[in-house]
Amino acid sequence: DAKTTQPTSMDCAEGRAANLPCNHSTISGNEYVYWYRQIHSQGPQYIIHGLKNNETNEMASLIITEDRKSSTLILPHATLRDTAVYYCIVRSLGGSEKLVFGKGTKLTVNP
Amino acid sequence: EPEVTQTPSHQVTQMGQEVILRCVPISNHLYFYWYRQILGQKVEFLVSFYNNEISEKSEIFDDQFSVERPDGSNFTLKIRSTKLEDSAMYFCASSIKQGKGYTFGSGTRLTVV
Repeated sequence: DAKTTQPTSMDCAEGRAANLPCNHSTISGNEYVYWYRQIHSQGPQYIIHGLKNNETNEMASLIITEDRKSSTLILPHATLRDTAVYYCIVRSLGGSEKLVFGKGTKLTVNP
Repeated sequence: EPEVTQTPSHQVTQMGQEVILRCVPISNHLYFYWYRQILGQKVEFLVSFYNNEISEKSEIFDDQFSVERPDGSNFTLKIRSTKLEDSAMYFCASSIKQGKGYTFGSGTRLTVV
């Protein structure tokens, strides 16, 4: 699976949009981009995933560049409860089922 | 919203003892997983389980580890002879099919003394 690069940490003001970038320049055509987050020491929580089209659900939006080499997770109105480590993971379907977690981005939402 | 339930939330065991960590995945899910996270480190894959057999396992998942789905609802991880370095949070996860997001449980904190 392709490797991902994320900033170590980011800050965001409460109520503002949080834009979390991820670089996956070696992604291949059948690999999806997944986002998970981990609040404190809880189990990781699935947020969203996509292949090449932008995706939106009740939690977030995922914007994938046309060349698919990078993506941005958008939390439209961040709250204090969104403070967490956010993981961008690239995985192909039909291959390994495992998720390979990196160090992620520690997002701190400030009041 | 459906949840993955893990018990116990915290277990302390003596080195060399066997432990069984229990998980109840979401009822209509077909794929099951165990991950672990040593304090301050990354979340690591241990094993995936589908159709009553292991579909993939990591190097961590050696002969000391085993998984079982003894009935239609429980999914267990057994560590036969615990070592100090097995101390970690163990997370169970399930998914309805390949490609869908996983639902993780809240974890069992295993402390080996």
